[in-house]
Parts: sequence; C-alpha cells; structure tokens
Amino acid sequence: DAGVTQSPTHLIKTRGQQVTLRCSPKSGHDTVSWYQQALGQGPQFIFQYYEEEERQRGNFPDRFSGHQFPNYSSELNVNALLLGDSALYLCASSRDGRTDTQYFGPGTRLTVL
Amino acid sequence: GNSVTQMEGPVTLSEEAFLTINCTYTATGYPSLFWYVQYPGEGLQLLLKATKADDKGSNKGFEATYRKETTSFHLEKGSVQVSDSAVYFCALSVGPYGNNRLAFGKGNQVVVIP
Repeated sequence: DAGVTQSPTHLIKTRGQQVTLRCSPKSGHDTVSWYQQALGQGPQFIFQYYEEEERQRGNFPDRFSGHQFPNYSSELNVNALLLGDSALYLCASSRDGRTDTQYFGPGTRLTVL
Repeated sequence: GNSVTQMEGPVTLSEEAFLTINCTYTATGYPSLFWYVQYPGEGLQLLLKATKADDKGSNKGFEATYRKETTSFHLEKGSVQVSDSAVYFCALSVGPYGNNRLAFGKGNQVVVIP
C-alpha cells in the first residue's frame, strides 16, 4: 500500500514565478491538507481540501491556492513567488470522519532565488 | 488561539539515557494531542497520540500522557538509542471535523551519542 506521495522532490524558482506542487493521498483517504515548513520551524497549516472544496484555511495570502481532483489527489499553487516562500511543503492525507490521524508525505523542497 | 509550546533548544544525551521533551498547549475546546517525529530528509511520522484527558499514548518505547489540569503532553522514553536521533514535534488538533488542522510546536532536535 503506497503512502502519501509528492512531486517533485525539489524545485528551484525565481522571484515572481509561479509553482505547482502535487500530492497523491494514501489509498482510502479522501482529505488532503497542505503545510509549509520553514527551515528550523514546525509546519504551518496552509489549507485542507475535502470533496474538491477548500474546507479549512490557515493564515496564508491568496497567492496560495489549491485544487483537489475527483481521485482525491491535490495540487498546491503559489503565485508571485517571494524569497520567503522557500520552504519544505508537506502534504498530509486522512480519511474524513476518522479521529484526526494525518499521514504525511516526504515533502517538496522549494527554493526561491 | 490554539498553540503549542515546546522547550527551547536541542537535546543531546547518551545512549540508554532517559529522555523527556516538554510540551504545553493552549486550546479552545477539547484538542487531540500528537507527537510527530521527523528523521533527516524525510516527512513527518506519527509517533503517538491521545484524544482525551488522562489518555496515555505509547509507541516504540515512547510515552506521553494528556494532562488537562496542566495543559501538557510531555514525551518520555526510558532508554534512548542512537536511532532515536531526530526532530520531535508536539501538535494539537481541535475543531468541528473528524480531522482538523494541526498546530505544531517548533520542534526539538534530539541527538543521541553512542
């Protein structure tokens, strides 16, 4: 049983560009959450998708947007990249209605130059 | 708001020593509490969890008890191994859904010396 997968593993962009990160949830999971982890910090919640809708959102600007597809996979889009967007982006999946256990992928390391 | 505070600084200890990492929380409502571990170059792995007061989560020799009266969820292990070297994050989850946003502490780097 494959766990949560993310692509790409690493990405280098320049300021002002746009980026798309991808996530496939664990088999049987229907909910995807995205987190940003800056170097040396704990992950910060960006948003959560369920039934192809954004259900919860953290304190991130509108430059951060997402999408969930009918097969439950998800994308995170970041527009107008800033140097401060450099971080590890983590995707977590879970099954709605279950008690809170989220399973994390290995992350995508984004570097903005 | 909902937040988690972990003790400052890395933790360095010898193999077979006793490990304690402190975690306190602030939350509205009744949170679930978690410890996640992150090995170098990897994502987060759930280590243990507790969903109500006085519950004890345990896994791989690690334990933590949900203390509502002190709003704490301290992580302990009686005898650490070199393979326990990693970053440990305390987290909470509270809200109306079956799975809610996680709020993490800053993490503690644990280094176990042979």
